[in-house]
Amino acid sequence: SQTIHQWPATLVQPVGSPLSLECTVEGTSNPNLYWYRQAAGRGLQLLFYSVGIGQISSEVPQNLSASRPQDRQFILSSKKLLLSDSGFYLCAWKDTSYEQYFGPGTRLTVT
Amino acid sequence: DQQVKQNSPSLSVQEGRISILNCDYTNSMFDYFLWYKKYPAEGPTFLISISSIKDKNEDGRFTVFLNKSAKHLSLHIVPSQPGDSAVYFCAASPTPAGGTSYGKLTFGQGTILTVHP
Repeated sequence: SQTIHQWPATLVQPVGSPLSLECTVEGTSNPNLYWYRQAAGRGLQLLFYSVGIGQISSEVPQNLSASRPQDRQFILSSKKLLLSDSGFYLCAWKDTSYEQYFGPGTRLTVT
Repeated sequence: DQQVKQNSPSLSVQEGRISILNCDYTNSMFDYFLWYKKYPAEGPTFLISISSIKDKNEDGRFTVFLNKSAKHLSLHIVPSQPGDSAVYFCAASPTPAGGTSYGKLTFGQGTILTVHP
């Protein structure tokens, strides 16, 4: 069966510091991968998606970037965090069906 | 422009009664709809879905109804249980699941369901 991992689970970072969040998927090949952010009291906002290694599409202009160095690995990064980057970050995968399956999420607090 | 809207931020229901969560959409290209359930500090879990060729899909206590002409869908939970207390997100996808849509989902803002014992 497929599983999706995200780490770290929680992170507190000062403004201006770099960020690296990692997501890996097991039990599937060539999945579509997605990064979402849920700000406090808000819905899920799609940040990036990837349909293959090295293929990244950005949905929202922002301070973040994403990379997919391996088939089942998706990384969310920032060179310098802003206060507005605080939120709950979620990684998701899908195969040929419509359903996306989410990881456990990372709670990021920028201080 | 909010293409998927859940106009009720919260809903409170007594255990054993029916919970009805509503969702409206504006994009006529949406052809497949999903409901997710989310507990605090966890990722959303897929609950149930429906294709636009159907008007109803049932899975145990959960039933999703789709009114395509009204661009409205609803999730019914019967009977409601305290463990159903969570945030429920409605999501929509244009067809096809792959292709140029890349499987992207558009989510509503969520409805907090509280089921009281």
